[in-house]
This record gives sequence, structure tokens and C-alpha cells, in this order.
Amino acid sequence: AQSVTQLDSHVSVSEGTPVLLRCNYSSSYSPSLFWYVQHPNKGLQLLLKYTSAATLVKGINGFEAEFKKSETSFHLTKPSAHMSDAAEYFCVVSESGANNLFFGTGTRLTVIP
Amino acid sequence: DADVTQTPRNRITKTGKRIMLECSQTKGHDRMYWYRQDPGLGLQLIYYSFDVKDINKGEISDGYSVSRQAQAKFSLSLESAIPNQTALYFCATSAGGATQYFGPGTRLLVL
Repeated sequence: AQSVTQLDSHVSVSEGTPVLLRCNYSSSYSPSLFWYVQHPNKGLQLLLKYTSAATLVKGINGFEAEFKKSETSFHLTKPSAHMSDAAEYFCVVSESGANNLFFGTGTRLTVIP
Repeated sequence: DADVTQTPRNRITKTGKRIMLECSQTKGHDRMYWYRQDPGLGLQLIYYSFDVKDINKGEISDGYSVSRQAQAKFSLSLESAIPNQTALYFCATSAGGATQYFGPGTRLLVL
């Protein structure tokens, strides 16, 4: 069975400081892992994905995530937050070769000027 | 993603009414999906379709039906809307890999 736990429902950072959004997953098989971002009143945009290649994945807008199998984690980071990063972020898991996505409950990122 | 469009973007309806939400894509993908999003929750899968003749139930299909009219079109119907179907609905497509591309969403309010 697959599931995703996003450890923080809300994260608040100051502009220019690092961002860390935490995600742990459970999967019986080799997972594919994703981070999606949802800006207010917008659809979901793919930030980055892990599909069994390099464990450190770089995405758009300076975000990256590291797949750690031993910790079953896929945390999202960014060195320096920008005001435009304020949004809802979803960690998503899919078993390799499958099509169904399982979403975490989301983390709302607030960036303080 | 402009390649996946949903109509209407917003809809208010009354309990017991039948409504249809439509999704169109120009990405040429075979696979299409319908999700709903409730406040404080992630997206939950309602139905998915791997091609025009292949439709499958997702986690929460009760109260919903779908129609895959063509490769590019996938409609979601609420046969008799009820207030707890008030939610944000997303359509998505994929080419067969795990990556899905989402439409802008339809906000539905059932009174």
C-alpha cells in the first residue's frame, strides 16, 4: 500500500531564508515521487520528480529534493525563499509503472517579507 | 497547464441537480483522470481512463460517473448532486508514465 505523510501542514519562513518541506512515504515497490505546487486559484504544477535515477532531483524555480530510501523521505528544499514561493505544496507517490497518484495532505508555505 | 482545460471554472448548483464537468486536452495523451480536492486534504482519485474504451473507478467513485467521448475529452457527471460533493475538481492527463499534468480546476458549490 502506498501513502504519503507531509509532516507540516503550514511552514512560515522569511524571504531569503532556506525552505524545508518534509515528506515521508510508504510504498511496497520502487516508488516514483513528485512534488507539485498549487498557487492560489491555480491548478497544480509539477515542481520535480524522482523516478529511480539520481537521488538528488533538481526542479524548477530553484527547488530540489533528495530521495532517501533508508529514511523513506523525499524532503523539498530551496536555499533562499522568494515571495512568489508562497503556495500549497503536495508530495505525491506512485508505484513504479503504475498510474495512480497518492497525494499528501499538503503544506502551505508562507513567505514573510 | 494550458494544454489541459476544464469547463466550467466555477459552478453553483442545487441539491438533486445533474451536472457535468468537462475536460479537454491537446497533449495527445491516452490517459485521463478526475480528482477532487477538499480543504486540508490532498487530491483523491474519482475515475481514470487509459483509453476511450477503458474506464476505471478510483478511490471515491460513488455518486459520480464519467464519459470518455474521445481521446481528448473526459467528462465527469454528478447524477444527483449533494452538498458534500462541494469541492475543487481537477482533471489530469498522462502519456503512460507516472507524471500527470493537471488542468486549472473547477470549483463546485452544491447548495
